[in-house]
Amino acid sequence: GAVVSQHPSWVICKSGTSVKIECRSLDFQATTMFWYRQFPKQSLMLMATSNEGSKATYEQGVEKDKFLINHASLTLSTLTVTSAHPEDSSFYICSAFPSSGNTGELFFGEGSRLTVL
Amino acid sequence: QKEVEQDPGPLSVPEGAIVSLNCTYSNSAFQYFMWYRQYSRKGPELLMYTYSSGNKEDGRFTAQVDKSSKYISLFIRDSQPSDSATYLCAMSGGGNQFYFGTGTSLTVIP
Repeated sequence: GAVVSQHPSWVICKSGTSVKIECRSLDFQATTMFWYRQFPKQSLMLMATSNEGSKATYEQGVEKDKFLINHASLTLSTLTVTSAHPEDSSFYICSAFPSSGNTGELFFGEGSRLTVL
Repeated sequence: QKEVEQDPGPLSVPEGAIVSLNCTYSNSAFQYFMWYRQYSRKGPELLMYTYSSGNKEDGRFTAQVDKSSKYISLFIRDSQPSDSATYLCAMSGGGNQFYFGTGTSLTVIP
């Protein structure tokens, strides 16, 4: 299957700093990528839909100034958690939807665990 | 009513058992159906993908879609401890909107 790579897989930062997480589709192009947040033993919570070349669409309750999303190319989307606080500690996962030859499948990254001290 | 309903479990079975995981949905426009396996602290891994109705088999895994009943299933034969994970169903109507179940936690006991 298609591969989506997320980096870093885990990161620890101090409160008040910003952290950037990358999501790359390695063997396909993705016009659309998604960012999720997941708390322990809970299901995926969609944060935003990232579209190449345009602004991301954020779900209700997600602060766009807090969680900056950039999708500058067909293979890369980034999520930047700005001025991170301990309550932002979570597991962040991206997924990518192939632009062509699309059979309707959605592929996920390995996830990034953020701990804010 | 949620678009997709999935029993969260937890489900606990002995090794070698047949496991049945299910999701129901309400939107008749859904045509693409997926099952993901998610291990703890990992991203979901696409396990099975089915378009429209019917069955699909891959090794010990069988996915079934019954569009008339709006019901999908994942069967795991000869379950192994390594199958212990959370299983998520997902579906879409073909666009870039996907709908997920809440996931079923499965434990296979040696």
